[in-house]
Amino acid sequence: QQQVKQSPQSLIVQKGGIPIINCAYENTAFDYFPWYQQFPGKGPALLIAIRPDVSEKKEGRFTISFNKSAKQFSLHIMDSQPGDSATYFCATWPSRSNYQLIWGAGTKLIIKP
Amino acid sequence: DTGVSQDPRHKITKRGQNVTFRCDPISEHNRLYWYRQTLGQGPEFLTYFQNEAQLEKSRLLSDRFSAERPKGSFSTLEIQRTEQGDSAMYLCASSLFGHREDEQFFGPGTRLTVL
Repeated sequence: QQQVKQSPQSLIVQKGGIPIINCAYENTAFDYFPWYQQFPGKGPALLIAIRPDVSEKKEGRFTISFNKSAKQFSLHIMDSQPGDSATYFCATWPSRSNYQLIWGAGTKLIIKP
Repeated sequence: DTGVSQDPRHKITKRGQNVTFRCDPISEHNRLYWYRQTLGQGPEFLTYFQNEAQLEKSRLLSDRFSAERPKGSFSTLEIQRTEQGDSAMYLCASSLFGHREDEQFFGPGTRLTVL
């Protein structure tokens, strides 16, 4: 069964802290790992994505760390702000011939001022 | 606004009725996806089109669900004989195949409530 397990379900962090959200996958054929951000009433928006040939990718305050041997990847948000409060989803697709995204269950992040 | 648009944004219907949703993708995008999202969960893939061809359908897509993209532009998702379990957010996304890892841009969704 193809699956992505995401943790924690919810997270509260003080402004300026570094929330970390983790995902674990099962199938070693997965080869694309995006993170999406979703605000209430909106569709998900792509935040940052990584391929398994690199161990880390940074875009602004967002960093993905990827551990291929452990089949895990995580999102770090540096200098977090109240505007980062949203639900974050990790995802993957099974292979380059199958583009249907498989999603984690989501993490509801609250950044307290 | 050149993003993905969906209509209606909200739909309340009685069990047993048919409903149809529309998605207008970003104009140059050749791929269009439908997902279903229930509260507290990530989206679940339903189906996708490349141009007007429907290339993949999830097992979640029972025979009460049908999707079309007749001219390779907008798409419709119809649910016949709605059930209370169909209550969810229906999300549409589009992408340009072969561009930037097939990055999918999502619309705001249609929230369906079946009474």
